[in-house]
This record gives sequence, structure tokens and C-alpha cells, in this order.
Amino acid sequence: ESVLTQSPDTLSLSPGQRATLSCRASQSVSSYLAWYQQKPGQAPRLLIYDASSRATGIPDRFSGSGSGTDFTLTITRLEPEDFAVYYCQQYGSPLTFGGGTKVEIK
Amino acid sequence: QVQLVQSGSELKKPGASVKVSCKTSGYTFTMFGMNWVRQAPGQGPEWLGWINTRTGKPTYAQNFEGRFVFSLDTSISTAYLQISGLKADDSAVYYCARGIDGSDYVIVYWGQGTLVTVSS
Repeated sequence: ESVLTQSPDTLSLSPGQRATLSCRASQSVSSYLAWYQQKPGQAPRLLIYDASSRATGIPDRFSGSGSGTDFTLTITRLEPEDFAVYYCQQYGSPLTFGGGTKVEIK
Repeated sequence: QVQLVQSGSELKKPGASVKVSCKTSGYTFTMFGMNWVRQAPGQGPEWLGWINTRTGKPTYAQNFEGRFVFSLDTSISTAYLQISGLKADDSAVYYCARGIDGSDYVIVYWGQGTLVTVSS
């Protein structure tokens, strides 16, 4: 089972700034990696799958990259609604989630 | 539109059992498998496993074999999660969750969540 480690735990940024979130897998997951956004009291929302494909309706300020063991989620210009917790998830075998990165307003 | 509607919150004593339902609509139930995910307060999501809705065959994540049972009633497009021998650290929000077309494990539709609290 591949363990996912996300960094940093918390990212303090201002609206308009760029956010770069990291997810590292303990063993290769090829491109079987997704990113989710979660706000308090809500279920996670799919942003990116297959490492770099945006889900339906996701703005193009969200982008994903990487393969194998190292992955990145980039938010080019933070909007007020982007402050949330972000999780990576691998679905190579079996399915596991990372511990999350909180993007908070500085 | 696709909807997954779960049963309401539960308060149970340690050692008891609970059964959570997930009623689906807006798509053909047997065309997509169903995942179960839980999330303890302040923690990340944790995948419990998946059930093949065509065959009824469940696949459990490593830590969730034995006390966790997935089942179906395809006649009413509903999936169930039953947990027996509840422990305090089973307290969490439990979600049923469906994948995208082409991958059951890329989760795009989630139920609203069922809070299960285990306390004496």
C-alpha cells in the first residue's frame, strides 16, 4: 500500500498569490493520483484526476503535475473561495488519501 | 442529476452495531461501483473499501475486514454499510461515494455523510 505524505501541513497566503502543494507517495502510483478540496462541513470535491486532468467544472487556475512518486497541485491565483483543505488520493492499489494541506488566509 | 442520500446520524454504545444506508438516483445503479469512506473529526478521509454493484462482491481495505460489511439492494438502488462491535475510534462521518465514468476510484459524487458517534 502506498502511503501519501502531503506538505506543507499549512500554507498561509493572501488572495491573488500562487499556491503550490506537494504530495509524495511511498511507492510509485504511476499517474493514478487525484486532488480534492474540502471545506468545513462539506464532502470533498474532486479537482484533478490522473495527476493532471481537471474534473468537470473546475477552473483553470487549478493544475496538477507529476508522476511516479512526486506530485504537485498548483493554484495560480488564489480566490477567496479557494481557502480550504486539500487532499491527494492515489488509486493505484489500494486507494489511500494523504493527510491534507490547509490553505489559510494570511 | 446524480444523488446519493444517506441515512441520518447515529449515536451508539461501544459494542453495538449500526447500519448506514445510501439511496442513489439519477443514474443506473449497477453501472458504477460504490465506495465507502470515513472521516474522523480533524482527520483526512479513510477508504473503507468498495462494492461491485453488478456482482455484489465487496473489497475491503486492509484495516476494515471483519467488522465492516457492505451490502446492496439493487431493487431500490441502495447500498448499505454495517459496522459491528463499534469502538470509540469508529466515531466519524461515513460517506458513500461514486466514481467517474471510467474509474470507480476517482470519486466525484458523495453522499451528504452520516455521523456515527460511539459513546457510553
